Amino acid sequence: GQNIDQPTEMTATEGAIVQINCTYQTSGFNGLFWYQQHAGEAPTFLSYNVLDGLEEKGRFSSFLSRSKGYSYLLLKELQMKDSASYLCAVVDSNYQLIWGAGTKLIIKP
Amino acid sequence: GAVVSQHPSRVICKSGTSVKIECRSLDFQATTMFWYRQFPKKSLMLMATSNEGSKATYEQGVEKDKFLINHASLTLSTLTVTSAHPEDSSFYICSARGRIDTEAFFGQGTRLTVV
Repeated sequence: GQNIDQPTEMTATEGAIVQINCTYQTSGFNGLFWYQQHAGEAPTFLSYNVLDGLEEKGRFSSFLSRSKGYSYLLLKELQMKDSASYLCAVVDSNYQLIWGAGTKLIIKP
Repeated sequence: GAVVSQHPSRVICKSGTSVKIECRSLDFQATTMFWYRQFPKKSLMLMATSNEGSKATYEQGVEKDKFLINHASLTLSTLTVTSAHPEDSSFYICSARGRIDTEAFFGQGTRLTVV
């Protein structure tokens, strides 16, 4: 079966750095997305990785290792507005999105 | 990024009635549209995938006669919840994708409450 694992919840301090991990076992791989979702709202796109390595975009970076079936989302200089759920999604061999359950990130002052 | 407009954002309907939710891609052609359902504090659950001009592919356990999906054009898909019941109350989200190797853009979501 297809499986994506993320921690259920994480807590971090304003101004700090947090890393949210995602491991996957899917039938084929055609890319990995990270989305941010605030409560009661639709997800918004953060990043897309299809090659190994680190993609940096402002305060957010995403890393992929295809051989390890592993990705992480790195958030720097945390702000209170970063409190949200972060969803990892893998594109499988049929180009379908397989979703993780999401990681709820709580930012404390 | 591209814009996907979903309407209405909130709807309250009586049990037994039908509700239509629209999803429009405003500045790109959406060859594929996805419809998701999300319960409180749960992840997105894919209901169905539709490609323009063809019948939707429903996920296991989703009643296709209850959740009617139409993807008649490259910019519009609709989800109709027929004979709604209180247990259909949920947050419904659409997303649209142009090419298969690009990201999916999400609509704003529709909060459906059936009373």
